[in-house]
Amino acid sequence: DSGVTQTPKHLITATGQRVTLRCSPRSGDLSVYWYQQSLDQGLQFLIHYYNGEERAKGNILERFSAQQFPDLHSELNLSSLELGDSALYFCASSEGGNEKLFFGSGTQLSVL
Amino acid sequence: DAKTTQPPSMDCAEGRAANLPCNHSTISGNEYVYWYRQIHSQGPQYIIHGLKNNETNEMASLIITEDRKSSTLILPHATLRDTAVYYCIVRGVWGTYKYIFGTGTRLKVLA
Repeated sequence: DSGVTQTPKHLITATGQRVTLRCSPRSGDLSVYWYQQSLDQGLQFLIHYYNGEERAKGNILERFSAQQFPDLHSELNLSSLELGDSALYFCASSEGGNEKLFFGSGTQLSVL
Repeated sequence: DAKTTQPPSMDCAEGRAANLPCNHSTISGNEYVYWYRQIHSQGPQYIIHGLKNNETNEMASLIITEDRKSSTLILPHATLRDTAVYYCIVRGVWGTYKYIFGTGTRLKVLA
């Protein structure tokens, strides 16, 4: 158990809908990273938050947004969903911004 | 962050050492080498990291060449449970806020 909690584990929705994925980092970790992994693809870095502030963006679509709250949990919002958004979404946390990452078990999103 | 190059796939016999190479010829002096692995569709798992010296922990050993342009992750006695995708990442300490994973090496441990 990495100590990083992601909910829900599975999410099935329809095209055009909006969903929110939640991540609770390990106790004491200030950084949260979000990744997308499509079937048989690599991990695509989406965004990084440190202590509530956005620090870096990767290949994150404009339809996607994220935030990190004062209690350090983070949410990834995906809107106007398309079939191609179906993927595993992972969050990871670290103490600061540059240490080793601890990953959650992911949220499997299926857009039908 | 420096770019890394890894072979796409490797096989290893169970019980033998698995040696996974990584090239990072553009690494700079303050960049660390990190290794992670991802078993099937689980979240990636940190294995080990190092700067210059060789490192060993309960999971693996990391050998970094003297010029730091390449490294090797060694799993001393591979088991079937070590079948996974292994990612080598080179990352700076300060001012680097992205954490980019490449395509990794798919290691298959054979019975």
